[in-house]
Order: sequence, then structure tokens, then C-alpha cells
Amino acid sequence: ELQLVESGGVVVQPGGSLRLSCAASGFTFGDYTMHWVRLAPGKGLEWVSLINWDGGGTHSSDSVKGRFTTSRDNSRDSLYLQMDSLRTEDTALYFCAKAREPRVIHNYYMDVWGKGTTVTVSS
Amino acid sequence: EIVMTQSPATLSVSPGERATLSCRASQSVSSNLAWYQQRLGQAPRLLIYGASTRATGVPARFSGSGSGTEFTLTLSSLQSEDFAVYYCQQYHNWPSFGPGTKVDVK
Repeated sequence: ELQLVESGGVVVQPGGSLRLSCAASGFTFGDYTMHWVRLAPGKGLEWVSLINWDGGGTHSSDSVKGRFTTSRDNSRDSLYLQMDSLRTEDTALYFCAKAREPRVIHNYYMDVWGKGTTVTVSS
Repeated sequence: EIVMTQSPATLSVSPGERATLSCRASQSVSSNLAWYQQRLGQAPRLLIYGASTRATGVPARFSGSGSGTEFTLTLSSLQSEDFAVYYCQQYHNWPSFGPGTKVDVK
């Protein structure tokens, strides 16, 4: 069974840092672009970042650029989101999600999602 | 950045009725458009990609249409499990989601 499990969400103060993890199973992780997407309270889905299957390319939304870093370890079937200089508006449920097609640039839509991990930024 | 809008924000429908949801892009995205369903407390679920192709396991009562800047998701006969929030997402450029349409019980 294809599965993604996020972890690492906690309560953190503004200006703080946090690293989220996403453990993948049931598919060849190293063949797929991976995404982070978030859902803030009372708002809609917001795409955060992506990393290509080999880690050779990443891209982030303007709202997190320069503060969040996406990485992966294909030997551990794991995806990461390093979150620095956190703001109250980063409070959200963070999902990792898998691209549907293997080893394809573009076609950035997601067919498997984790259940999410909650990040709360508050003093 | 491509901005996505959806209408209506909320759609009240009776079970068994048809629901039509709209999505608009600020510039052409060709057919690079996906639809997702998110039930309360659950992860999003891919319904449609390529504007009109149903994802694996998605019932035939879900259909997508459109290209360019105007898209539609149609639910032909609403079942109880279809009451949820629906998002469109373009992937012509870096991904962006619409604000969502909540489908609730009339």
C-alpha cells in the first residue's frame, strides 16, 4: 500500500525553526517528485514547495522562499522541510504529497497524500 | 504567478442532485488542471487530472471539462460521501490552488 507519513509538527515561537519529515512506503520513492502543501486554519490549500525525484531541483512558493528548504534522502525514502524564521502565518497542517508520474518534469499534480502534521507558530 | 479562482464559494445541494463547480485561471493553463476532494479531517484526494481524466478509482459520476482559462467539475448525482470541499489546481506553471468550493447538504 502506498503511504506517506508526516511528522515533526509542534508548537514553536515566531522566529523559530523546525524540521518536518515525511516517510514514504509502498512505491519507489526515488522515482517521484515530491511536494509540500499546507492548509491554514480557515483557509484553502496552499502549495509550499517541490523537489524533483533525484533532488536535483527544488522550487518554493514566494511566501516561504528564503525561509524554507526542501530536501530528500532517497536511501531512506524520506522527504524533509526545514522551516526557519517561522511566522504566525505559517501555522497550518502540512501535507507531503507524491507526483503521479515518475521521472517527469512538470505535470506537478499529486496523487498520494499523507494525513499531515500540524505546525503552530505562537508566542 | 497564475491565480486560480473558484465559484461559488459554497454550493448547497440535495443528495441525488447534480452539482456544477467552476474554476478560472488568470491566464491560460491549457489542460494542465487537476481537481481534488477534501473531506473534513482527511487528506485531499485526486479526482481529475488533465482537466478531464478521472484518477484511479474515482467514480464515473465525477467529470471534468474545460481548457484554457475556464474549467468545470460536475458531480452528476450527489452521494452522502461527496459533501466536501473541492479544489482546482493548475500545473501549467509552478502549482497553485484555487480557494475551494464547499459542497454542503441543502
